[in-house]
Amino acid sequence: KNQVEQSPQSLIILEGKNCTLQCNYTVSPFSNLRWYKQDTGRGPVSLTIMTFSENTKSNGRYTATLDADTKQSSLHITASQLSDSASYICVVSADFGNEKLTFGTGTRLTIIP
Amino acid sequence: EAQVTQNPRYLITVTGKKLTVTCSQNMNHEYMSWYRQDPGLGLRQIYYSMNVEVTDKGDVPEGYKVSRKEKRNFPLILESPSPNQTSLYFCASRNSGFSYEQYFGPGTRLTVT
Repeated sequence: KNQVEQSPQSLIILEGKNCTLQCNYTVSPFSNLRWYKQDTGRGPVSLTIMTFSENTKSNGRYTATLDADTKQSSLHITASQLSDSASYICVVSADFGNEKLTFGTGTRLTIIP
Repeated sequence: EAQVTQNPRYLITVTGKKLTVTCSQNMNHEYMSWYRQDPGLGLRQIYYSMNVEVTDKGDVPEGYKVSRKEKRNFPLILESPSPNQTSLYFCASRNSGFSYEQYFGPGTRLTVT
């Protein structure tokens, strides 16, 4: 069964600090891995999409890494801001002729001043 | 502005009263889907559509219907809502194929009493 597990479930850090969120997956056949940011009560917004051949991708202060061998990904947030407070969702895509997405349950990040 | 819109945003209804949640996108995307999001669970796909008049079941289709008569619209229909369908619903769209960014609507919070 395809699964995506994220850790930690929740995280609280001080404004300005860095943090790293983890994602482990057992999805095959692997197509791509996505990170989304979801503000409370709103729809998820895409941060990065990485295919099998990519092991790092950045979007501003967000940097995602992918290790396809160990089936792990991380999202690193640099110099956190209050607006980074949100849930971060890891999504892994499988190739079944059409694309099938499996969603993690997310990490709830809270930035405190 | 490229966007996915949903209506209504909030809905409280009673068991058995048919309802429709509308979804519309202005990006000419072929692929549209509906998800539900419940506490402690990742987003789960209800139905998806790869193009006009082409729809298929996702992971949790029971109790839901969809239609895709026009490319831009993908309504979700609950013929006889039950309390276990109380949830946060998201419509999403993207281009068909792989590794395309998926755009989510703002969500519809449905409560069935």
